[in-house]
Amino acid sequence: AQSVTQLGSHVSVSEGALVLLRCNYSSSVPPYLFWYVQYPNQGLQLLLKYTTGATLVKGINGFEAEFKKSETSFHLTKPSAHMSDAAEYFCAVSVNNNNDMRFGAGTRLTVKP
Amino acid sequence: SQTIHQWPATLVQPVGSPLSLECTVEGTSNPNLYWYRQAAGRGLQLLFYSVGIGQISSEVPQNLSASRPQDRQFILSSKKLLLSDSGFYLCAWRNGLAGGRETQYFGPGTRLLVL
Repeated sequence: AQSVTQLGSHVSVSEGALVLLRCNYSSSVPPYLFWYVQYPNQGLQLLLKYTTGATLVKGINGFEAEFKKSETSFHLTKPSAHMSDAAEYFCAVSVNNNNDMRFGAGTRLTVKP
Repeated sequence: SQTIHQWPATLVQPVGSPLSLECTVEGTSNPNLYWYRQAAGRGLQLLFYSVGIGQISSEVPQNLSASRPQDRQFILSSKKLLLSDSGFYLCAWRNGLAGGRETQYFGPGTRLLVL
Protein backbone atom coordinates (compact mmCIF):
# COMPACT_ATOMS: atom_id res chain seq x y z
CA ALA A 1 0.00 0.00 0.00
CA GLN A 2 1.08 3.56 -0.58
CA SER A 3 2.21 5.87 2.22
CA VAL A 4 3.62 9.32 2.81
CA THR A 5 6.19 10.67 5.27
CA GLN A 6 6.49 14.35 6.00
CA LEU A 7 9.81 15.27 7.59
CA GLY A 8 9.37 17.90 10.26
CA SER A 9 6.10 18.40 12.05
CA HIS A 10 6.90 22.09 12.50
CA VAL A 11 8.87 24.43 10.26
CA SER A 12 9.57 28.07 11.08
CA VAL A 13 10.85 30.61 8.58
CA SER A 14 11.23 34.37 8.45
CA GLU A 15 9.07 36.44 6.18
CA GLY A 16 10.75 36.61 2.78
CA ALA A 17 12.77 33.44 3.32
CA LEU A 18 12.59 30.25 1.30
CA VAL A 19 9.95 27.75 2.32
CA LEU A 20 10.84 24.05 1.99
CA LEU A 21 8.46 21.37 3.22
CA ARG A 22 9.58 17.81 2.73
CA CYS A 23 7.54 14.86 1.58
CA ASN A 24 8.63 11.33 0.73
CA TYR A 25 6.30 8.67 -0.57
CA SER A 26 6.22 4.92 -0.85
CA SER A 27 4.33 3.23 -3.65
CA SER A 28 4.76 0.08 -5.70
CA VAL A 29 2.96 1.63 -8.67
CA PRO A 30 3.17 5.09 -10.25
CA PRO A 31 1.81 7.55 -7.70
CA TYR A 32 -0.27 10.64 -7.93
CA LEU A 33 0.92 13.23 -5.42
CA PHE A 34 -0.87 16.15 -3.82
CA TRP A 35 -0.17 19.03 -1.47
CA TYR A 36 -2.99 20.55 0.56
CA VAL A 37 -3.07 23.53 2.89
CA GLN A 38 -5.27 23.87 5.96
CA TYR A 39 -5.94 27.14 7.75
CA PRO A 40 -7.23 27.02 11.34
CA ASN A 41 -10.70 25.54 11.70
CA GLN A 42 -11.11 25.06 7.97
CA GLY A 43 -11.10 22.17 5.55
CA LEU A 44 -8.17 21.28 3.32
CA GLN A 45 -7.56 23.20 0.12
CA LEU A 46 -5.60 21.81 -2.80
CA LEU A 47 -2.33 23.64 -3.49
CA LEU A 48 -1.07 21.52 -6.37
CA LYS A 49 -0.89 17.99 -7.69
CA TYR A 50 1.29 15.78 -9.84
CA THR A 51 -0.31 13.17 -12.05
CA THR A 52 1.85 12.65 -15.14
CA GLY A 53 4.04 14.74 -17.44
CA ALA A 54 6.13 17.66 -16.22
CA THR A 55 7.74 16.85 -12.89
CA LEU A 56 7.81 20.47 -11.71
CA VAL A 57 4.30 21.42 -10.74
CA LYS A 58 3.18 24.97 -10.02
CA GLY A 59 0.29 25.63 -7.70
CA ILE A 60 -1.60 28.45 -6.10
CA ASN A 61 -0.12 31.17 -3.88
CA GLY A 62 3.34 30.88 -5.48
CA PHE A 63 4.02 27.32 -4.32
CA GLU A 64 5.60 24.64 -6.46
CA ALA A 65 6.73 21.05 -6.01
CA GLU A 66 8.99 18.73 -7.93
CA PHE A 67 8.38 15.01 -8.37
CA LYS A 68 11.66 13.12 -8.11
CA LYS A 69 11.13 9.45 -8.76
CA SER A 70 14.72 8.48 -7.97
CA GLU A 71 14.39 10.06 -4.53
CA THR A 72 10.72 9.16 -4.02
CA SER A 73 10.16 12.76 -3.02
CA PHE A 74 7.69 15.54 -3.68
CA HIS A 75 8.97 18.52 -1.70
CA LEU A 76 7.00 21.76 -1.59
CA THR A 77 8.78 25.09 -2.02
CA LYS A 78 8.08 28.78 -2.20
CA PRO A 79 10.84 31.31 -2.85
CA SER A 80 9.62 33.96 -0.43
CA ALA A 81 7.36 33.32 2.54
CA HIS A 82 4.47 35.61 3.40
CA MET A 83 2.77 35.90 6.75
CA SER A 84 -0.38 34.57 5.12
CA ASP A 85 1.40 31.27 4.37
CA ALA A 86 1.26 30.29 8.04
CA ALA A 87 -0.88 27.14 8.05
CA GLU A 88 -0.65 23.36 8.16
CA TYR A 89 0.43 21.57 5.02
CA PHE A 90 -0.36 17.99 4.09
CA CYS A 91 1.23 15.82 1.46
CA ALA A 92 -0.87 12.97 0.06
CA VAL A 93 -0.45 10.04 -2.31
CA SER A 94 -2.97 8.18 -4.39
CA VAL A 95 -2.75 5.35 -6.89
CA ASN A 96 -5.05 4.29 -9.67
CA ASN A 97 -6.27 1.01 -8.22
CA ASN A 98 -7.29 2.35 -4.82
CA ASN A 99 -10.30 4.38 -3.84
CA ASP A 100 -8.59 6.25 -1.04
CA MET A 101 -5.78 8.74 -0.59
CA ARG A 102 -3.09 8.53 2.08
CA PHE A 103 -2.04 11.66 3.91
CA GLY A 104 1.12 12.54 5.74
CA ALA A 105 1.01 13.68 9.35
CA GLY A 106 1.23 17.31 8.31
CA THR A 107 3.75 20.12 8.73
CA ARG A 108 2.85 23.30 10.57
CA LEU A 109 4.48 26.31 8.95
CA THR A 110 5.13 29.38 11.08
CA VAL A 111 6.24 32.63 9.44
CA LYS A 112 8.08 35.13 11.64
CA PRO A 113 7.98 38.85 10.87
CA SER B 1 -19.67 23.92 -9.88
CA GLN B 2 -19.41 21.42 -7.08
CA THR B 3 -19.84 22.29 -3.43
CA ILE B 4 -19.68 20.26 -0.24
CA HIS B 5 -21.53 21.06 2.94
CA GLN B 6 -21.11 19.81 6.48
CA TRP B 7 -23.23 20.45 9.51
CA PRO B 8 -23.21 21.31 12.21
CA ALA B 9 -20.09 23.44 12.22
CA THR B 10 -19.55 22.98 15.95
CA LEU B 11 -21.00 20.50 18.40
CA VAL B 12 -20.58 19.95 22.13
CA GLN B 13 -21.94 16.64 23.37
CA PRO B 14 -21.83 14.73 26.67
CA VAL B 15 -20.14 11.36 26.92
CA GLY B 16 -22.54 8.58 26.11
CA SER B 17 -24.81 10.67 23.90
CA PRO B 18 -25.52 9.83 20.25
CA LEU B 19 -23.97 11.58 17.27
CA SER B 20 -25.05 12.37 13.76
CA LEU B 21 -22.93 14.45 11.39
CA GLU B 22 -24.10 15.09 7.88
CA CYS B 23 -22.27 15.78 4.66
CA THR B 24 -23.84 16.59 1.31
CA VAL B 25 -22.32 17.26 -2.08
CA GLU B 26 -23.84 19.30 -4.87
CA GLY B 27 -23.02 19.48 -8.54
CA THR B 28 -21.68 15.98 -9.14
CA SER B 29 -22.97 12.43 -9.43
CA ASN B 30 -21.63 9.12 -8.13
CA PRO B 31 -18.87 10.66 -6.04
CA ASN B 32 -16.59 8.74 -3.75
CA LEU B 33 -17.22 10.07 -0.25
CA TYR B 34 -14.88 10.10 2.73
CA TRP B 35 -14.93 10.80 6.47
CA TYR B 36 -11.70 11.85 8.19
CA ARG B 37 -10.92 12.81 11.76
CA GLN B 38 -8.23 15.15 13.01
CA ALA B 39 -7.45 14.87 16.70
CA ALA B 40 -5.59 17.76 18.33
CA GLY B 41 -2.00 17.88 17.11
CA ARG B 42 -2.43 14.87 14.84
CA GLY B 43 -2.83 14.33 11.14
CA LEU B 44 -5.78 13.08 9.14
CA GLN B 45 -7.19 9.69 10.00
CA LEU B 46 -9.40 8.10 7.36
CA LEU B 47 -12.48 6.67 9.07
CA PHE B 48 -14.80 5.57 6.28
CA TYR B 49 -15.18 5.81 2.56
CA SER B 50 -17.99 4.99 0.19
CA VAL B 51 -18.03 4.33 -3.54
CA GLY B 52 -21.81 4.15 -3.84
CA ILE B 53 -25.16 4.13 -2.06
CA GLY B 54 -25.11 1.67 0.81
CA GLN B 55 -21.44 0.78 0.22
CA ILE B 56 -19.27 1.64 3.20
CA SER B 57 -15.66 0.69 3.87
CA SER B 58 -14.34 1.08 7.38
CA GLU B 59 -10.69 1.84 7.97
CA VAL B 60 -10.55 1.82 11.75
CA PRO B 61 -12.72 -0.28 14.10
CA GLN B 62 -14.35 2.01 16.66
CA ASN B 63 -17.69 3.10 17.99
CA LEU B 64 -18.46 5.19 14.91
CA SER B 65 -20.45 4.13 11.87
CA ALA B 66 -21.24 5.66 8.51
CA SER B 67 -24.13 5.45 6.11
CA ARG B 68 -24.85 6.65 2.60
CA PRO B 69 -28.61 6.75 2.14
CA GLN B 70 -28.45 8.85 -1.03
CA ASP B 71 -25.89 9.33 -3.77
CA ARG B 72 -24.63 12.65 -2.45
CA GLN B 73 -25.27 12.26 1.26
CA PHE B 74 -22.86 10.78 3.79
CA ILE B 75 -23.65 10.48 7.48
CA LEU B 76 -21.34 9.75 10.39
CA SER B 77 -22.98 8.36 13.51
CA SER B 78 -22.36 7.02 16.95
CA LYS B 79 -24.72 5.47 19.48
CA LYS B 80 -22.58 6.46 22.47
CA LEU B 81 -19.82 9.03 22.26
CA LEU B 82 -16.51 8.62 24.04
CA LEU B 83 -14.16 11.37 25.20
CA SER B 84 -11.69 10.16 22.57
CA ASP B 85 -14.19 10.97 19.81
CA SER B 86 -13.44 14.67 20.20
CA GLY B 87 -11.82 16.16 17.15
CA PHE B 88 -12.31 17.89 13.85
CA TYR B 89 -14.32 15.82 11.38
CA LEU B 90 -13.85 16.39 7.70
CA CYS B 91 -15.92 15.08 4.84
CA ALA B 92 -14.46 14.90 1.35
CA TRP B 93 -15.56 13.86 -2.11
CA ARG B 94 -13.78 12.73 -5.20
CA ASN B 95 -14.81 11.88 -8.76
CA GLY B 96 -15.35 8.15 -8.50
CA LEU B 97 -14.97 7.40 -12.18
CA ALA B 98 -11.57 8.90 -12.89
CA GLY B 99 -9.30 6.86 -10.67
CA GLY B 100 -6.55 7.83 -8.32
CA ARG B 101 -5.44 10.94 -10.18
CA GLU B 102 -8.50 12.83 -9.01
CA THR B 103 -8.36 15.45 -6.28
CA GLN B 104 -10.25 15.03 -3.04
CA TYR B 105 -12.29 18.10 -2.18
CA PHE B 106 -12.93 18.83 1.46
CA GLY B 107 -15.83 20.31 3.34
CA PRO B 108 -15.46 23.00 6.02
CA GLY B 109 -15.42 20.47 8.86
CA THR B 110 -17.28 19.89 12.12
CA ARG B 111 -15.59 20.58 15.44
CA LEU B 112 -16.82 18.00 17.98
CA LEU B 113 -16.10 18.35 21.67
CA VAL B 114 -17.17 15.49 23.93
CA LEU B 115 -17.34 16.38 27.62
